[in-house]
Amino acid sequence: DADVTQTPRNRITKTGKRIMLECSQTKGHDRMYWYRQDPGLGLQLIYYSFDVKDINKGEISDGYSVSRQAQAKFSLSLESAIPNQTALYFCATSASSSGNNEQFFGPGTRLTVL
Amino acid sequence: SQELEQSPQSLIVQEGKNLTINCTSSKTLYGLYWYKQKYGEGLIFLMMLQKGGEEKSHEKITAKLDEKKQQSSLHITASQPSHAGIYLCGADVAGFQKLVFGTGTRLLVSP
Repeated sequence: DADVTQTPRNRITKTGKRIMLECSQTKGHDRMYWYRQDPGLGLQLIYYSFDVKDINKGEISDGYSVSRQAQAKFSLSLESAIPNQTALYFCATSASSSGNNEQFFGPGTRLTVL
Repeated sequence: SQELEQSPQSLIVQEGKNLTINCTSSKTLYGLYWYKQKYGEGLIFLMMLQKGGEEKSHEKITAKLDEKKQQSSLHITASQPSHAGIYLCGADVAGFQKLVFGTGTRLLVSP
């Protein structure tokens, strides 16, 4: 089935380490998003990309960077992880051709920074 | 910036009871999306509302959009344990390029 996958699903790391979270999709969608979810704060947009050469900052991009390696792949990096980046991270996709903003979410990556 | 406020923040209902979750926007709503999240898992799309007065139903879940109140409501009839989870609303930001999400409503259904 067409899907949005995220790797790893769980990661524990130490302060100062570089971490990369990966997202792949087989939906053929052109738009991809990275969100983080903290308890009681809903979803906050980190970065989004509307095409391979397009990268846009979201609400909380500080401390993060992204790379859109191909239409199907969008990775999120934490250059130097800190404990307050402990959260649940979601990748999502949507299709500009759909005429709406319905987004399809991956299963999430639970990141713990010690 | 647009903000979405969901109420209540959490809800415990007895199996079989009806319940309503509200999502209120600080700005005009152009499109409203409801998602369900099982604890610690990804979001599952429920419904999308794009026109004022629009109402959609799926199984025992009904969502309505009141553009005058800048509000959407999600109503569950005869709740079941399978309805438990976190319900999030998302709204089109002006320009339709991205969504802003509410903080979620945590629903527990007791037997």
